[in-house]
Amino acid sequence: KQEVTQIPAALSVPEGENLVLNCSFTDSAIYNLQWFRQDPGKGLTSLLLIQSSQREQTSGRLNASLDKSSGRSTLYIAASQPGDSATYLCAVTRSSSNTGKLIFGQGTTLQVKP
Amino acid sequence: NAGVMQNPRHLVRRRGQEARLRCSPMKGHSHVYWYRQLPEEGLKFMVYLQKENIIDESGMPKERFSAEFPKEGPSILRIQQVVRGDSAAYFCASSPDREHGYTFGSGTRLTVV
Repeated sequence: KQEVTQIPAALSVPEGENLVLNCSFTDSAIYNLQWFRQDPGKGLTSLLLIQSSQREQTSGRLNASLDKSSGRSTLYIAASQPGDSATYLCAVTRSSSNTGKLIFGQGTTLQVKP
Repeated sequence: NAGVMQNPRHLVRRRGQEARLRCSPMKGHSHVYWYRQLPEEGLKFMVYLQKENIIDESGMPKERFSAEFPKEGPSILRIQQVVRGDSAAYFCASSPDREHGYTFGSGTRLTVV
């Protein structure tokens, strides 16, 4: 059974810091991995999608890496800003699944202080 | 492209009533997924549909819950005889295929009183 874990559960940093959010999954047979952002009371915004054959993806100040063999992904946020404050969710789809359903971690709640 | 549209944004129902949640996927997306986010819990898969077909309903409670995605119109998640434990945020996501990831709607927040 695939389980997704995100550490830490919460993180508070001063503005301008670079930071890393961690995601681990128990079954390395994934199809892809996606990072989302969720603001309080809002929906999910897709940040980065990494296919199983890829090692990393970048978008602006965000960089996500994937190491399938060790069952890990990291989301790196450079030069953090107060507007980055949100909950960040990691989710995987399994290779063995032909439905493509996402299995989510519990999220990391980030607070960036001005 | 208006994105994934869910309505209503907020829904209040008394115990025993029915709740109907609607989701219009992005244009060109034929795959629709419903997820539930209970308070203090993560997002859990409920059901996956393509036009007129339920493909995977393994995450949906067997009783009181049903879903459809008709040939015309939005996908509907229906909860009959709601109970307080059904209070949650229900999210819909759509995708054109597995390779392109998912776009989520803003969710419907159901409160059962």
